Amino acid sequence: QVQLVQSGAEVKKPGASVKISCRGSGYSFTGYFIHWVRQAPGQSLEWLGHINIDSGATTYAQKFQDRVTMTRDTSIKTAYMELASLKSDDTAVYYCARDPGDPTPIDYWGQGTQVTVSS
Amino acid sequence: DIVMTQSPLSLPVTPGEPASISCRSSRSLLFSDGYNHLSWYLQKPGQSPQLLIYLGSHRASGVPDRFSGSGSGTDFTLRISRVEAEDVGVYYCMQALQNPWTFGQGTKVEIK
Repeated sequence: QVQLVQSGAEVKKPGASVKISCRGSGYSFTGYFIHWVRQAPGQSLEWLGHINIDSGATTYAQKFQDRVTMTRDTSIKTAYMELASLKSDDTAVYYCARDPGDPTPIDYWGQGTQVTVSS
Repeated sequence: DIVMTQSPLSLPVTPGEPASISCRSSRSLLFSDGYNHLSWYLQKPGQSPQLLIYLGSHRASGVPDRFSGSGSGTDFTLRISRVEAEDVGVYYCMQALQNPWTFGQGTKVEIK
């Protein structure tokens, strides 16, 4: 079955960076997009951007454009999301999610990674 | 950015009774491909979101047929024909027409 397994919880200080991994299994990994979405405590979902696993091309939400980097390593079926210059309001659960491409949207989600930013 | 507005934000339901959630977008989600790029997700307590409906009205694989989606353009509805206890959680609509993809505020469904 399709699974997206994310790395574990992180605690970071303001100004630091965090890098989260997302390993796919149960499907080819290539031929898809991986999106990153976050959820602050008690809040709705917020889209950070996506990466085309085949080409490596990225699209970022303008809000995060200058401090998010999405990459992938197809040899180990893993995607990464790095967020720099962390602030306290970056505290959230970060999800990776699979997208087969137009016209179907995100269909499977990872289990989430808690990122806590605190001094 | 496209703003997604859901109502109600809280929905107490009685098992066996129907329920519906509305989602309105700030611009039409009907694309030239003929599809409405609107999806519905359910986030059960303590879990990741799961896909229920995509392209406005297409039920995802494995989703019970008591769930249905309808609407076009800017107004969409998710209906549950007969609510079951396992349907509790927060329901989100999401638009995938234009970057950034955006979500509604969520509708919390709980059993009365």
